Amino acid sequence: EIVMTQTPLSLPVTPGEPASISCRSSQSLLDSNDGNTYLDWYLQKPGQSPQLLIFTLSYRASDVPDRFSGSGSGTDFTLRISRVEADDVGVYYCMQRLEFPYTFGQGTNLELK
Amino acid sequence: EVQLLESGGDLVQPGGSLRLSCAASGFTFRNYAMTWVRQAPGKGLEWVSIITAGGDYTYYSDSVRGRLTISRDSSQNTLFLQMTSLRADDTAIYYCARVTIEGAFDSWGQGTLVTVSS
Repeated sequence: EIVMTQTPLSLPVTPGEPASISCRSSQSLLDSNDGNTYLDWYLQKPGQSPQLLIFTLSYRASDVPDRFSGSGSGTDFTLRISRVEADDVGVYYCMQRLEFPYTFGQGTNLELK
Repeated sequence: EVQLLESGGDLVQPGGSLRLSCAASGFTFRNYAMTWVRQAPGKGLEWVSIITAGGDYTYYSDSVRGRLTISRDSSQNTLFLQMTSLRADDTAIYYCARVTIEGAFDSWGQGTLVTVSS
């Protein structure tokens, strides 16, 4: 199975400052058949169910602020938040769906300084 | 508004069985693939299983294959997860989620807790 590794696992951020989370996969997530990279990002806010932020590498889900962006290629990916707000606190997960079984990263806990 | 409501979670003994349900509303259920994701207490997310819109294809994680079975009843707008031969490491909150045409999980239920313990 494809192993997903996130860094850092804990990320303290000052409100208004930028933040970035890295995610690395054990093999390329590029689908050579269609050119898509099947990497998604989810946020689980405290006490809530996960919610979709970014799909297929860089597409923002509905109602996700443009402060959030996804990028990367091959096996290295980044989620960026341009200016962190209080509502961004929670655990961020990357997930690959290039092949079964789908696999998540361990999660990155973003907290405010 | 899309709504997914899981039910059926309970305390069950090792080796026991349980059936989880996920009642869907607010969208045309038969047009969407659906998936189950679980989260052990204090741990991260683990993908469990997925079923296509028509119910003709199913896929599982290695840890549950042969013991958990995903199914759906589009006449009832309901997704199921039949769980057998349950083990302590199946203890988790089980979430159902809708799968978009692009393949991402765009709507999630609130989860139902399964506890496997003697």
